[in-house]
Amino acid sequence: EDKVVQSPLSLVVHEGDTVTLNCSYEVTNFRSLLWYKQEKKAPTFLFMLTSSGIEKKSGRLSSILDKKELFSILNITATQTGDSAVYLCAVGPSGGGADGLTFGKGTHLIIQP
Amino acid sequence: DAGVIQSPRHEVTEMGQEVTLRCKPISGHDYLFWYRQTMMRGLELLIYFNNNVPIDDSGMPEDRFSAKMPNASFSTLKIQPSEPRDSAVYFCASSFGASSYEQYFGPGTRLTVT
Repeated sequence: EDKVVQSPLSLVVHEGDTVTLNCSYEVTNFRSLLWYKQEKKAPTFLFMLTSSGIEKKSGRLSSILDKKELFSILNITATQTGDSAVYLCAVGPSGGGADGLTFGKGTHLIIQP
Repeated sequence: DAGVIQSPRHEVTEMGQEVTLRCKPISGHDYLFWYRQTMMRGLELLIYFNNNVPIDDSGMPEDRFSAKMPNASFSTLKIQPSEPRDSAVYFCASSFGASSYEQYFGPGTRLTVT
């Protein structure tokens, strides 16, 4: 069975700190790993990673994939209170089909002022 | 584009009643996904469609759940009869192309079954 494990499950830091969120996976037929940010509504897309060692960057957020060790990290530098959210990692394909995603339980990040 | 549209946003119903959730994907997207999110189990894929055809429904929990996509701009997820353990947030998402996993999520329907 496909599995995605995120750590830590929750994290509380102060504004300005740097955080690293982890995602490890076991998927039969890996194609890509995605990161989403979920505030009190629907998940919004952050990154999609398909190749090892290539960092994706968007402002203060960056992510990298290690396909040999089967994990990815999401870094957030100079955190702000607006970064408080649940960060979800998803890997595909999953299940019996070609395009489903398996999601981790998420990391609940709280940024204190 | 208005994004993925779901209705209703909130639904409260009694056990045994039929519940129908609706989704309008982003125009031009050829994949549509239904997910369920609970605190215990996180976000789970229930079923997905490609060009209106159901491809994988292995995540549908029981025969009480059914989903249809009669055309490219509309899908329904039906629960009949509903049970308290079906209480969750149900998300619809859509994407374009088999090689793209950038799925756009709707705002979700919060279902409470009493």
